[in-house]
Amino acid sequence: DQQVKQNSPSLSVQEGRISILNCDYTNSMFDYFLWYKKYPAEGPTFLISISSIKDKNEDGRFTVFLNKSAKHLSLHIVPSQPGDSAVYFCAASVGGANSKLTFGKGITLSVRP
Amino acid sequence: EPEVTQTPSHQVTQMGQEVILRCVPISNHLYFYWYRQILGQKVEFLVSFYNNEISEKSEIFDDQFSVERPDGSNFTLKIRSTKLEDSAMYFCASSVRGGTEAFFGQGTRLTVV
Repeated sequence: DQQVKQNSPSLSVQEGRISILNCDYTNSMFDYFLWYKKYPAEGPTFLISISSIKDKNEDGRFTVFLNKSAKHLSLHIVPSQPGDSAVYFCAASVGGANSKLTFGKGITLSVRP
Repeated sequence: EPEVTQTPSHQVTQMGQEVILRCVPISNHLYFYWYRQILGQKVEFLVSFYNNEISEKSEIFDDQFSVERPDGSNFTLKIRSTKLEDSAMYFCASSVRGGTEAFFGQGTRLTVV
């Protein structure tokens, strides 16, 4: 049951460049989307979210874009820093952040100094 | 900064034994969740809890699982008779009404032998 898909298992970028992490979903009922970052031996840490009534949300170096017609969202990190190296999970819900989250498999981002 | 805390960080148990995983959610949060991540797989939703009752549960959350909020601060997950396939990282999370995110604890690694 892959309602949320992160098809690329890993991404490597140079420090200072842009990181673009992609996520696709199949359930058209999803109306709220989140990105979490996870370091080994820690729990997921919230990064940024977007409601389906928007197509972009920005917070500092992090921007999430939502394309509802394509059922696609992406996380842009600019500029990328070595401390951004982690696993990034895309998650989606029906009804906002108080509802259950359906996660993707995650993308391992490596930022090279 | 407020955080969700989980104990123990690692629990080893024999198959068939009961385990209780403990969580202290953030104090003003009203929604509580358990998720789990089997090694190499997605983070999966188990159960959500609001207003002292289960609001939603997944197919994984069968009769072997139960949750409880025994007092004003703790939220527990009990597995009555553990199986080998219950070995996973278990994450507790909580959220505030109308919030933008769920906050996750650092996880309890459960190993069933």
